[in-house]
Amino acid sequence: QVQLQESGPGLVKPSETLSLTCTVSGGSVSSGYYYWSWIRQPPGKGLEWIGYIYYSGTTNYNPSLKSRVTISVHTSKNQFSLKLNSVTAADTALYFCARQLPDWFLDYWGQGTLVTVSS
Amino acid sequence: QSALTQPPSVSGSPGQPITFSCTGTSSDVGDYNYVSWYQQHPGKAPKLMIYDVSNRPSGESNRFSGSKSGNTASLTISGLQAEDEADYYCSSYTSSSTLVFGTGTKVTVL
Repeated sequence: QVQLQESGPGLVKPSETLSLTCTVSGGSVSSGYYYWSWIRQPPGKGLEWIGYIYYSGTTNYNPSLKSRVTISVHTSKNQFSLKLNSVTAADTALYFCARQLPDWFLDYWGQGTLVTVSS
Repeated sequence: QSALTQPPSVSGSPGQPITFSCTGTSSDVGDYNYVSWYQQHPGKAPKLMIYDVSNRPSGESNRFSGSKSGNTASLTISGLQAEDEADYYCSSYTSSSTLVFGTGTKVTVL
């Protein structure tokens, strides 16, 4: 059974960088079949796909966030990470990591971690 | 990319079927069979219910079924049960090689 777990600071100051890590167990981020994604959900609102990374390091980002987002993979730790810079209050959200299949669906999700942007 | 359009809320009585829609464009739902549906209970992570328009993951209830016609996908829950009360989101691959979600539908069991 694949499990994903997000970790990182729950509070980030405006203009700073949000950094989160997703630890994968029961599966390998080095698998050549899957993509590893980040999704977020502002409080009381809908889901927004942030982007994914492939084990080779290939990335694909939501155009609306592309200028501020970096997703990296750390195969030795079986982890992948998210960095979002120049954050504002609009970036306050529940951030999920998930496994993405080639058919563009997400079959395993982490429980999510709330990140609040506030001074 | 604009979010796919879903009705904000749908309700039904236990045992009855309900169907709700997910409307996109010819650049997403209409042109690809990469539509999926997720169920989200309050405070929980989304759960995959349908992928590739109409396929159910192993172990998921056959009360859930998906379909697509033109730019609109639909999710049907037959024999509505109390535990089906949740938010539901559709998603689709887009011609920009990105993923877009729907606006979400809150299902209420009367």
